Amino acid sequence: GAVVSQHPSWVICKSGTSVKIECRSLDFQATTMFWYRQFPKQSLMLMATSNEGSKATYEQGVEKDKFLINHASLTLSTLTVTSAHPEDSSFYICSARDLGLAGEAPYEQYFGPGTRLTVT
Amino acid sequence: GQNIDQPTEMTATEGAIVQINCTYQTSGFNGLFWYQQHAGEAPTFLSYNVLDGLEEKGRFSSFLSRSKGYSYLLLKELQMKDSASYLCAVRGNQAGTALIFGKGTTLSVSS
Repeated sequence: GAVVSQHPSWVICKSGTSVKIECRSLDFQATTMFWYRQFPKQSLMLMATSNEGSKATYEQGVEKDKFLINHASLTLSTLTVTSAHPEDSSFYICSARDLGLAGEAPYEQYFGPGTRLTVT
Repeated sequence: GQNIDQPTEMTATEGAIVQINCTYQTSGFNGLFWYQQHAGEAPTFLSYNVLDGLEEKGRFSSFLSRSKGYSYLLLKELQMKDSASYLCAVRGNQAGTALIFGKGTTLSVSS
């Protein structure tokens, strides 16, 4: 099956610093990648939709200037948490849609293993 | 608005059968997904329904009724390793759109 990787798998940073998380599709091309955030014992909440070569679409309530998304190639999207604060501590998960499955069901989204961010 | 409801917690014993229900009210519908998620890990795909009826996949089956906005995931011959969170997710009208997740059902399987 398709593989999506995330780097780093976990990171601890100090309040006020910025952290970059990478999401890569390893064996397929993904024009669209999604970024989710999951707080403890909560479900996944969509933050933004990342489209290759264009600006990301952010969900209501998500600050686009704080969570910078870049989707520069068909296999890489990055999420940068700028000026991180303790309330940004969460589990960040990306998913990618396989371009090669266009027109086929079930349009599975392949999830990365997640990145645990802790801001101290 | 978008709303996906599923029970918060369920318990069952090894070898038993458990049914996890999910009801949804979304602005569009283009498929319902079930995922399994172990603590601290990413969700893994279990099943997908876009038409009414039952989809069977080994020990797991999923049912959909679009008119009722209702789905269930059926797990048979439960094993301890099935203890996890089960997420119901709906995709909107357009293919390629993001999934809207329910809050998940934490299933605990005991011996």
